[in-house]
Amino acid sequence: AQSVTQLDSQVPVFEEAPVELRCNYSSSVSVYLFWYVQYPNQGLQLLLKYLSGSTLVKGINGFEAEFNKSQTSFHLRKPSVHISDTAEYFCAVRPTNTGNQFYFGTGTSLTVIP
Amino acid sequence: EPEVTQTPSHQVTQMGQEVILRCVPISNHLYFYWYRQILGQKVEFLVSFYNNEISEKSEIFDDQFSVERPDGSNFTLKIRSTKLEDSAMYFCASSEATRGDTQYFGPGTRLTVL
Repeated sequence: AQSVTQLDSQVPVFEEAPVELRCNYSSSVSVYLFWYVQYPNQGLQLLLKYLSGSTLVKGINGFEAEFNKSQTSFHLRKPSVHISDTAEYFCAVRPTNTGNQFYFGTGTSLTVIP
Repeated sequence: EPEVTQTPSHQVTQMGQEVILRCVPISNHLYFYWYRQILGQKVEFLVSFYNNEISEKSEIFDDQFSVERPDGSNFTLKIRSTKLEDSAMYFCASSEATRGDTQYFGPGTRLTVL
């Protein structure tokens, strides 16, 4: 079985400060990893994904994430946030060999303070 | 950029009534999905659909639920007799392929059962 934990439900951060949104997962099989962002009244938009290869993945809007297999983590980072980054962020995993479904965390609400 | 659309954005219904949630996936995509998110909880997988049949479903997707692709563009989720606990945000998603492929999500339909 797979599960995803996003420990921080809300993260306030000042504009231009760095941010890290944490994601840990538990899985009995190997997984692909994803981060999605949801802006108000919009759908989930893919930020980045890890399928294989380099463990440091760069995505859109200046975000990056690092896959750490030993710690089963996939934390999302941005060195300098903007007001426009205020949104809900979801971490998700998907087994590499079985099924189509994504397993999501509960989400982290990022609020960028001017 | 092509996107997944969903209608309506908000549906209010009485307990026991049937509802149909509609989705228009991205036109060249072959795999379709429904997820739901109860307020404050995780985004949960309901069902995946490929080649005009269900390819995978979760334990949430019981006999009260059904999916259909009535024509070449729409993908619908029907709840036959709604219950209070069906109140949630329902997301439709589509992908070109399976496995590590990105699922593109719509903005969601908020279903409120009274």
